[in-house]
Amino acid sequence: AQTIHQWPVAEIKAVGSPLSLGCTIKGKSSPNLYWYWQATGGTLQQLFYSITVGQVESVVQLNLSASRPKDDQFILSTEKLLLSHSGFYLCAWGTGDYAEQFFGPGTRLTVL
Amino acid sequence: GDSVTQKQGQVTLSEDDFLFINCTYSTTTYPTLLWYVQYLGQGPQLLLKVTTANNKGISRGFEATYDKGTTSFHLQKASVQESDSAVYFCALVASGSWQLIFGSGTQLTVMP
Repeated sequence: AQTIHQWPVAEIKAVGSPLSLGCTIKGKSSPNLYWYWQATGGTLQQLFYSITVGQVESVVQLNLSASRPKDDQFILSTEKLLLSHSGFYLCAWGTGDYAEQFFGPGTRLTVL
Repeated sequence: GDSVTQKQGQVTLSEDDFLFINCTYSTTTYPTLLWYVQYLGQGPQLLLKVTTANNKGISRGFEATYDKGTTSFHLQKASVQESDSAVYFCALVASGSWQLIFGSGTQLTVMP
């Protein structure tokens, strides 16, 4: 069975500080990987997707970047946090286009 | 572009009531239509998937159907329980797309 792990579980950071969030998927070879952002009480907005190691595509511009250093790892980062970055960050995996995606437990980010 | 509209923001029911949530979609392709459930503080879980091939999906007492004529898809359950209280999202994946487009979500509260 596939498992998806996100770290950290929660973060409280200051405006202007850097951020790095991680996601690891186990039990699935060469998955498609995705990052989503969810405001409190809001819907999910896809941020990035990656089909293969080293290749990441941006869906929306939010002063964030993503990288895929390994087949099973996806990293979301920024050098300078904004208040608007607060929210719930979710990593997901899928098997291809036109297919469902499976979400991790998420990371709660609070920017003060 | 592709879109999903979910107008029921909040639904409050009593145990054993009938649940019906509706979404409408717009796409120029043959979509895969999905329902996710998100419990408080957790990532969304895939509940049901409906394609233009199978018309209907059933899981955990929930049933999802779609109507191509009205470009709408529905989630229903005959008898809800307090444990069904959560946010329900409809979502669409367009054919040939990597992007999952979510509706705005329906907060279901089931009173004991």
